[in-house]
Amino acid sequence: EDQVTQSPEALRLQEGESSSLNCSYTVSGLRGLFWYRQDPGKGPEFLFTLYSAGEEKEKERLKATLTKKESFLHITAPKPEDSATYLCAVQAVSSYKLIFGSGTRLLVRP
Amino acid sequence: DGGITQSPKYLFRKEGQNVTLSCEQNLNHDAMYWYRQDPGQGLRLIYYSQIVNDFQKGDIAEGYSVSREKKESFPLTVTSAQKNPTAFYLCASSISLRETGNGNTIYFGEGSWLTVV
Repeated sequence: EDQVTQSPEALRLQEGESSSLNCSYTVSGLRGLFWYRQDPGKGPEFLFTLYSAGEEKEKERLKATLTKKESFLHITAPKPEDSATYLCAVQAVSSYKLIFGSGTRLLVRP
Repeated sequence: DGGITQSPKYLFRKEGQNVTLSCEQNLNHDAMYWYRQDPGQGLRLIYYSQIVNDFQKGDIAEGYSVSREKKESFPLTVTSAQKNPTAFYLCASSISLRETGNGNTIYFGEGSWLTVV
């Protein structure tokens, strides 16, 4: 069964304290892995799509990487405005739909 | 601006009532989706549509119904058969899987809160 597990469930950082969020997945053939940011009471905002192991993508303080079993979202020198829930999802070759993890709630304190 | 518009933002349903959530997109996307989000859980797919006049059940379709009469519109009806409808509902859209071999990025609206009173 296709599955996505995100860890940790919650993460508290001081401003400037770099860290990583993990997304472990099992899927019968990966079509794509997606990262989203979600602010409270709002819809998810698309961040990155990764397609194959070894691929990396960056956007401001965020960098996403992909292996055959997991993806990491690295946050470098975070700011309070980076506080949000980060969602990971996978899409299998055999399917149309995204399978989501439960998310990591990130709080960055000034 | 291009995007996905959901309405209303907040909706209250009485026991036994059907309610309809609106979703409109001007991104010229063929595919549209409805997801449900409960606290502490991942998003779960209710229904999806790859093309006008066609739609398929997702993982939790019981108690819901949809229609796709126009490319830009995909309304969701929460029927009285849905026993636990209180949740955050998200509409999304993407280009059709048939147009790309890679993963098709799904874009989301701002969501609608449904509460049973």
